[in-house]
Amino acid sequence: DAGVIQSPRHEVTEMGQEVTLRCKPISGHNSLFWYRQTMMRGLELLIYFNNNVPIDDSGMPEDRFSAKMPNASFSTLKIQPSEPRDSAVYFCASSLTKRYGYTFGSGTRLTVV
Amino acid sequence: DQQVKQNSPSLSVQEGRISILNCDYTNSMFDYFLWYKKYPAEGPTFLISISSIKDKNEDGRFTVFLNKSAKHLSLHIVPSQPGDSAVYFCAASDSGNTPLVFGKGTRLSVIA
Repeated sequence: DAGVIQSPRHEVTEMGQEVTLRCKPISGHNSLFWYRQTMMRGLELLIYFNNNVPIDDSGMPEDRFSAKMPNASFSTLKIQPSEPRDSAVYFCASSLTKRYGYTFGSGTRLTVV
Repeated sequence: DQQVKQNSPSLSVQEGRISILNCDYTNSMFDYFLWYKKYPAEGPTFLISISSIKDKNEDGRFTVFLNKSAKHLSLHIVPSQPGDSAVYFCAASDSGNTPLVFGKGTRLSVIA
């Protein structure tokens, strides 16, 4: 398996633009997580899905953030409109059971100028 | 409110010496703990874990110690190597369906 695949690896966009981050989880994993890494907050959970259903989005900072998982092999995290303070590295992770931990993707480094 | 705390943002150790990374937690329902290692431009990768029924788990140069009464765990790396330089995240889990809770990470620098 190729692991968790995220795209793009880097995204630079202007303030106010829409940004879409993509994630392909490991086949067979039934949970998917979106994290944001910043110096201040470390790894911050934004939202997670079980069996494609959003379970908890309380970590989503604002209504500008939304996430979808239309099927077991694909998820998106959208920011609209983007702001400079959204600049961070966004990670997607998937798992079969949390006792085996999560497998993370390589992340998307987002820069909003 | 941080349930998992890594109070040292950074640590510098000489090659060959022991590295000790610490982690404290507040939620007494946590019963499983993991350490992740993260290199620049990569995602975190699983390193080692420990269940609350144990107080020690060892894997090669890496050993995790758990002190349940103090709600404290530590990761020991012996001997430290330059390739161990990375950010280390502590994570905790309860037996329910809630996600892993991560600390903010500690950046370890092993100096040759």
